[in-house]
Amino acid sequence: ETGVTQTPRHLVMGMTNKKSLKCEQHLGHNAMYWYKQSAKKPLELMFVYSLEERVENNSVPSRFSPECPNSSHLFLHLHTLQPEDSALYLCASSQDLGQGRKDTQYFGPGTRLTVL
Amino acid sequence: GQSLEQPSEVTAVEGAIVQINCTYQTSGFYGLSWYQQHDGGAPTFLSYNALDGLEETGRFSSFLSRSDSYGYLLLQELQMKDSASYFCAVYNQGGKLIFGQGTELSVKP
Repeated sequence: ETGVTQTPRHLVMGMTNKKSLKCEQHLGHNAMYWYKQSAKKPLELMFVYSLEERVENNSVPSRFSPECPNSSHLFLHLHTLQPEDSALYLCASSQDLGQGRKDTQYFGPGTRLTVL
Repeated sequence: GQSLEQPSEVTAVEGAIVQINCTYQTSGFYGLSWYQQHDGGAPTFLSYNALDGLEETGRFSSFLSRSDSYGYLLLQELQMKDSASYFCAVYNQGGKLIFGQGTELSVKP
C-alpha cells in the first residue's frame, strides 16, 4: 500500500463510450500526476497538477481530460478513445513539485484499460 | 533531447549480485531515481542520488556519476522476489520525471 488508490482497476470500453478514472491520495501531498504505461515503453507523463492547478499537459490528445477538484483527488475523463489508447494508466503523487527527494513519487496500482 | 538508456533484460541466479546500468541525456539534471515494478503492480521508489557516489539501502545500492551522465543500481544477495522491472528516472530542469524503458530482471533458482 503506497497511500495512493485508483479505481477501477480494470476497465473495458468501446470507442464511443465515456468513462472516468479516479485517483485518491491519502498522503497529504500537493502534486499529482497521470502516467500512461504501454507494453515495452517507458512511463509517459500525461498531466501534472500542483495545488489543484494543471502545470503540465504533455501534448495529450483532447480525448483525455483531467480534473483535480482538490489536492487529494484526481480524475481522468475518457471519451471516444482509440484501441491504441489501451494501456495501464498510473496515478502518482508527491509532496511538492520540483526536484529532489521530497518529490519522490508514490504510485497507485493503476487502471488497466482496454479499448475495443 | 532527453533520453535514458538501460538494458531491456537481465537474468541472474539467487544469491548473486547484479548491476543495472543507466545512462542519460537531459536538459538540466537534478537527480537520478530508481523504481521497482512487479508484474501487475505499481512502481515503488527504491533510491535517489543527487550527488556523485554510492548510496546504500540494505541489499540495494545506487551509484551516480554526474560527469559521465551514468548511474547504476546494484542488487546483492538476489532473491526470487527481486524479479521485477527496474526503471531509472531523472528529474530535468522543469521538475519533470523522465523514465527509462525499464530493465526486466529475472532471478532463477
